[in-house]
Amino acid sequence: EAGVVQSPRYKIIEKKQPVAFWCNPISGHNTLYWYRQNLGQGPELLIRYENEEAVDDSQLPKDRFSAERLKGVDSTLKIQPAELGDSAVYLCASRGLAGGTDTQYFGPGTRLTVL
Amino acid sequence: DQQVKQNSPSLSVQEGRISILNCDYTNSMFDYFLWYKKYPAEGPTFLISISSIKDKNEDGRFTVFLNKSAKHLSLHIVPSQPGDSAVYFCAASAGGGTSYGKLTFGQGTILTVHP
Repeated sequence: EAGVVQSPRYKIIEKKQPVAFWCNPISGHNTLYWYRQNLGQGPELLIRYENEEAVDDSQLPKDRFSAERLKGVDSTLKIQPAELGDSAVYLCASRGLAGGTDTQYFGPGTRLTVL
Repeated sequence: DQQVKQNSPSLSVQEGRISILNCDYTNSMFDYFLWYKKYPAEGPTFLISISSIKDKNEDGRFTVFLNKSAKHLSLHIVPSQPGDSAVYFCAASAGGGTSYGKLTFGQGTILTVHP
């Protein structure tokens, strides 16, 4: 079974530029999550999708962040314009069963550096 | 407001000995707890979970203990191996005994197992 795929793995941009991250969840997983992990901290949820619907976006900074999951499979997270404080690792996860145990599976993340 | 806390930033143990990683939480609504392991440049990998209806769950070398009255959980690794060296994250969910909903993570504990 393929894992959660994310691209790009690394991105370096200048502040005020736009950036987008892509995620392909594990096949058959209807619930998709975007988390942000700052250095030395645990991941924090940005948005959760159930199929195409964003069911929890309360922690997404909507002035500059947007996300979509048009066909209920792949998802894109966008930042426009990026700020220095957006430098972090952006993790995508999908929910399913691991050997019968309910869990969230994480992708490798995209490390964003804003200069 | 840090609802999940891992108060030990790092832990160093000898190969073959027991590693004990601790986690405290404050939100009484949490009813499902997970431990993840993270290697550099990779996403968190699920290790083991426990529902609030249990006080212990075991999987091979890994055992998680939950003390609801103290709002405390711990991960025991016996025996510890050098390959266990990684960052360990405790996470909690208020998802009705599942990982549905958001996971709230601790800050992580860096485990180093010396040969």
